[in-house]
Amino acid sequence: QQQVKQSPQSLIVQKGGIPIINCAYENTAFDYFPWYQQFPGKGPALLIAIRPDVSEKKEGRFTISFNKSAKQFSLHIMDSQPGDSATYFCAASGGYQKVTFGIGTKLQVIP
Amino acid sequence: NAGVTQTPKFQVLKTGQSMTLQCAQDMNHEYMSWYRQDPGMGLRLIHYSVGAGITDQGEVPNGYNVSRSTTEDFPLRLLSAAPSQTSVYFCASSYSVTGGQPQHFGDGTRLSIL
Repeated sequence: QQQVKQSPQSLIVQKGGIPIINCAYENTAFDYFPWYQQFPGKGPALLIAIRPDVSEKKEGRFTISFNKSAKQFSLHIMDSQPGDSATYFCAASGGYQKVTFGIGTKLQVIP
Repeated sequence: NAGVTQTPKFQVLKTGQSMTLQCAQDMNHEYMSWYRQDPGMGLRLIHYSVGAGITDQGEVPNGYNVSRSTTEDFPLRLLSAAPSQTSVYFCASSYSVTGGQPQHFGDGTRLSIL
């Protein structure tokens, strides 16, 4: 049972576009929702995270939108750059650190 | 401060062989975990540990053993390698054992089972 559903699996945008990656979760006990960025040959690295008591969080060009009632959250990348080309994972955890990851979105930003 | 260090980076095994994937962290994190990453399946939790001497199973534990004798080290053992265990393995650590904190990942071990 996939507890965190992520879409799309791949995404191509032009430089300056705003890619949006969506995730949905089922377990209402989840209380921490991080996004990780992974470059080829490297491990995932924390990009930005949100807790369910806020509806939006911005860090630089990256924004998380959170809809607690719909159990959905999304990542927006403003003014995307070729250097943002990577795989992005949403995740969710609650209580002890058994983090559940989405399947990942491979983003390509075309110059 | 090296963070999370995994060795080896690449390994090829024959079916039935055993091996140990090493993971060490120098951040004094209590929580450590092992994931495998397969195309279209994201990261799946194999085993995790909330402190020295304490381990538990994750989502896909079969065929793998772990132990945690020190805070720093969390090795993953493949008992009898199978082609289905061909994957990229990531070790991670976190400051918090109760959640709500990010995990720090190593750069992975790419394992092929022939």
